[in-house]
Amino acid sequence: AQSVTQLDSHVSVSEGTPVLLRCNYSSSYSPSLFWYVQHPNKGLQLLLKYTSAATLVKGINGFEAEFKKSETSFHLTKPSAHMSDAAEYFCVVTFNDYKLSFGAGTTVTVRA
Amino acid sequence: NAGVTQTPKFQVLKTGQSMTLQCAQDMNHEYMSWYRQDPGMGLRLIHYSVGAGITDQGEVPNGYNVSRSTTEDFPLRLLSAAPSQTSVYFCASSYYARGGVNEQFFGPGTRLTVL
Repeated sequence: AQSVTQLDSHVSVSEGTPVLLRCNYSSSYSPSLFWYVQHPNKGLQLLLKYTSAATLVKGINGFEAEFKKSETSFHLTKPSAHMSDAAEYFCVVTFNDYKLSFGAGTTVTVRA
Repeated sequence: NAGVTQTPKFQVLKTGQSMTLQCAQDMNHEYMSWYRQDPGMGLRLIHYSVGAGITDQGEVPNGYNVSRSTTEDFPLRLLSAAPSQTSVYFCASSYYARGGVNEQFFGPGTRLTVL
């Protein structure tokens, strides 16, 4: 079975400071991992994905994530938060099929 | 391309009523799926389809039916609505790649309230 744990339900940062969203997964197989973002009252947009190529993955809007197999983690970071980054973020795992398992989500607020 | 479209955007039902949530995509994607989103639980897979005429159950299928008569459309039917089905419903689609993983494209969602 596969599952995803997002370690923080809510993260609050000041504009211009780094953002770290933590995600741990459990999977019996080599997983594929995604981060999606959902802005208020909107659908989900793909930020980035890991599919067993480079362990450091760069995504849109300055986000990146590092796959660490030894720690079963896929944390999302951004060096400098912007007000437009306020949203809910989902870590998602699948092992080479089309059934996605979502984490519970992390809500990011950005203080001016 | 319109991408993935969903109708209606909002719906209020009474317990026991039935309705169909519509989903359509114009990207010729083989794979389509339905999720429900509830606070603190992320998205959970209800049903999915890997092509016209083929559907299967996801994590939370009870109370929902689907069919896939065309590549473009994947409606979700609530047979007898219950308050526990109050949720936001998302439809998604992607190319189906055996042994591979492709990005899923999500619709804007349908917010359903069952009284």
